[in-house]
Amino acid sequence: GAGVSQTPSNKVTEKGKYVELRCDPISGHTALYWYRQSLGQGPEFLIYFQGTGAADDSGLPNDRFFAVRPEGSVSTLKIQRTERGDSAVYLCASSLWSTPTDTQYFGPGTRLTVL
Amino acid sequence: KQEVTQIPAALSVPEGENLVLNCSFTDSAIYNLQWFRQDPGKGLTSLLLIQSSQREQTSGRLNASLDKSSGRSTLYIAASQPGDSATYLCAVSSNTGNQFYFGTGTSLTVIP
Repeated sequence: GAGVSQTPSNKVTEKGKYVELRCDPISGHTALYWYRQSLGQGPEFLIYFQGTGAADDSGLPNDRFFAVRPEGSVSTLKIQRTERGDSAVYLCASSLWSTPTDTQYFGPGTRLTVL
Repeated sequence: KQEVTQIPAALSVPEGENLVLNCSFTDSAIYNLQWFRQDPGKGLTSLLLIQSSQREQTSGRLNASLDKSSGRSTLYIAASQPGDSATYLCAVSSNTGNQFYFGTGTSLTVIP
């Protein structure tokens, strides 16, 4: 079946603008994760959802970052007043459940560039 | 906070060689450890997952070992092929939650 998809694949914006990044998880997966990967670094956890609720948002760097998953499927990561330091690849992953034994399947990512 | 380190940062080997990638972590209270492969412009692909109670896992030419007490894992790749060229990431899952802590990766190039 289809894997995790993310749109757009690339996003270029200007400093101070608002952006939305979308993630479509694998159908039937209840858990959804967002990560951020800066150049030359490993992915860094941002937030994960179990169903519609954010079960752990401790990785969000500040209140400019917000994510929603209103129907327990598609998720949107929202970044307000973007800064150049927000430039990174934003990865989404989903898993059937949210236990540590469940394999997370990753999407191809959205490359965000803030000019 | 868990710190994950991978050595070397980059590795270039001729085709056919066996090689070892290293991963170390500071907090031994982990639930599991995973090795991922990342190709340019693509997401991560899980290669091997080792539960904290296990010592190793094998899949084809790949073998991953885990020594939880010393905070170390190795990924052994036998008879390397050019198609193995990618970045390999090690990630540990915390014992208390679903967070994965990733290393910075090893960029592998296998020369034909």
